[in-house]
Amino acid sequence: GENVEQHPSTLSVQEGDSAVIKCTYSDSASNYFPWYKQELGKGPQLIIDIRSNVGEKKDQRIAVTLNKTAKHFSLHITETQPEDSAVYFCAARSPRSGYALNFGKGTSLLVTP
Amino acid sequence: ETGVTQTPRHLVMGMTNKKSLKCEQHLGHNAMYWYKQSAKKPLELMFVYSLEERVENNSVPSRFSPECPNSSHLFLHLHTLQPEDSALYLCASSPQRAPNTGELFFGEGSRLTVL
Repeated sequence: GENVEQHPSTLSVQEGDSAVIKCTYSDSASNYFPWYKQELGKGPQLIIDIRSNVGEKKDQRIAVTLNKTAKHFSLHITETQPEDSAVYFCAARSPRSGYALNFGKGTSLLVTP
Repeated sequence: ETGVTQTPRHLVMGMTNKKSLKCEQHLGHNAMYWYKQSAKKPLELMFVYSLEERVENNSVPSRFSPECPNSSHLFLHLHTLQPEDSALYLCASSPQRAPNTGELFFGEGSRLTVL
């Protein structure tokens, strides 16, 4: 089945700096790659997603890039703010896996003022 | 308000107890999910219901028993659990069926502690 690796597990940046989180996946048929943000005491919430026919997608300070050949995708957050502090999860889905969305282990991001 | 409501938010139970977790979605979605979230591990998919039919069951022990009485409600019945079952149990829903289910909407979770 699909295996998603996520790095780093923790990341600390200063306010205003950029943060990058990287994920790799194993199933070359995977075609959907969402990113979720989980704040303390809450459930994960989708912040951005990308499909395999697109190489990059941006939404204000957040961007995701996808390299299908290398089977990796990354989340980029620019001009970080303290409210960006949370746990971020990448995920991948293959048409072969039905409903299953395979998640990485998460990255705990801390943005210090 | 996420549209997916889970109760209770916290539950402590002994290994011989029987309890249930409840999930309700107000989004008109067609599929509902139970995920288990443990520290330092990826979210684990447990069960999926689509239009009240169970469509996925990922080798979950029989001490976890799901129930979906209608498209808006999902339950997870718990019986004779083990301490290693302590975790955050997340309910989610999606607007469509596989393979293009659309975005997953998660509830805030039920934190379960098994003594």
